[in-house]
Amino acid sequence: DAKTTQPNSMESNEEEPVHLPCNHSTISGTDYIHWYRQLPSQGPEYVIHGLTSNVNNRMASLAIAEDRKSSTLILHRATLRDAAVYYCILRDAYYGQNFVFGPGTRLSVLP
Amino acid sequence: NAGVTQTPKFQVLKTGQSMTLQCAQDMNHEYMSWYRQDPGMGLRLIHYSVGAGITDQGEVPNGYNVSRSTTEDFPLRLLSAAPSQTSVYFCASRRIPETQYFGPGTRLLVL
Repeated sequence: DAKTTQPNSMESNEEEPVHLPCNHSTISGTDYIHWYRQLPSQGPEYVIHGLTSNVNNRMASLAIAEDRKSSTLILHRATLRDAAVYYCILRDAYYGQNFVFGPGTRLSVLP
Repeated sequence: NAGVTQTPKFQVLKTGQSMTLQCAQDMNHEYMSWYRQDPGMGLRLIHYSVGAGITDQGEVPNGYNVSRSTTEDFPLRLLSAAPSQTSVYFCASRRIPETQYFGPGTRLLVL
């Protein structure tokens, strides 16, 4: 699976939008972009995933660059509960059995 | 649905002891996996299974055994515990090729 690069940490103020970047310059055509997050002392939880088009769900939005070499997870209004480690993961649609987790981005939300 | 459940929540072992970490899911998912997470790091895959009777090694399989006799259960066995196996262990399951659900984790301390 292709690798991803994320900033180690980011800070945001409560109720402001947050843009979490992810670079994946070696992405292949069949790699899906997945985002998971891990709240303190919990297992990771699914946030969103996409292939080529931008995606929205109740938790977040995923903006995918036209060349697919980068993507951005957007939290529209950060809350204190959004403080977590966010993981950007690539997984092949056909052959990717496993998720490879990097160190992720630790998001701090300030009141 | 209970989702993915793990027992115990916390365990202390002495070096050389053996134990089994339990994982169960009630979602009829084919795919199950075990990860370990060391402090400040992402998750690393230990073993995984794509169905009952089928298991395979992940990134860090040494010192661990698994078996999958039923769709619901995927126990992880530590044969002879070592201090290097002190970690938080997460079990996960999913329907191939969908998103992954994680359990709450088992914190293991090996003295």
